[in-house]
Amino acid sequence: KAGVTQTPRYLIKTRGQQVTLSCSPISGHRSVSWYQQTPGQGLQFLFEYFSETQRNKGNFPGRFSGRQFSNSRSEMNVSTLELGDSALYLCASSLGYTSGSIETQYFGPGTRLLVL
Amino acid sequence: AQSVTQPDIHITVSEGASLELRCNYSYGATPYLFWYVQSPGQGLQLLLKYFSGDTLVQGIKGFEAEFKRSQSSFNLRKPSVHWSDAAEYFCAVGAKKLTFGTGTRLTIIP
Repeated sequence: KAGVTQTPRYLIKTRGQQVTLSCSPISGHRSVSWYQQTPGQGLQFLFEYFSETQRNKGNFPGRFSGRQFSNSRSEMNVSTLELGDSALYLCASSLGYTSGSIETQYFGPGTRLLVL
Repeated sequence: AQSVTQPDIHITVSEGASLELRCNYSYGATPYLFWYVQSPGQGLQLLLKYFSGDTLVQGIKGFEAEFKRSQSSFNLRKPSVHWSDAAEYFCAVGAKKLTFGTGTRLTIIP
């Protein structure tokens, strides 16, 4: 079974631009979560999508948004990029049962975003 | 609020030596604990997880971890490290929204 895939793998943008990152989950997985990894802040949870709805959200500004499609693929968008948005953005997928269940998240290779 | 502490930022061990990476957590109820490994430029690979039951869990690549509720710890161990184990290791807690520790970078000396 193919793992989580993320595109593009590398991206360079300038301040003020916007960017869209894509994540395809493992086949059969319905939940997709996004994380930001930076040297200063470490790994931080952005949000989780399940059945095309945002189910959990971290403490990030509204410039960070996402969506999920009917095939469970997800996109993350960052508008008005700032230098501090330079990071590795990781996507993780899981089966996505009820909100009360515990699940294992499987991570993709990440998209490395550099903001100049 | 849930939190994870990995007190060791960087550990260096000789190839063939034993390894223990420390992880302490804070969680409101029964903790759901994970160890992930990240090689340079890569995503996170799951090593093992603890949800309930036996407090000693076995993972991939010869790793194991022991859950100790009284110490709020979930330390990762390996009896004999290989050069390919050099990477960064993250402990995490959570059911849906994972909270990660700051990571421990492992260097292996030949």
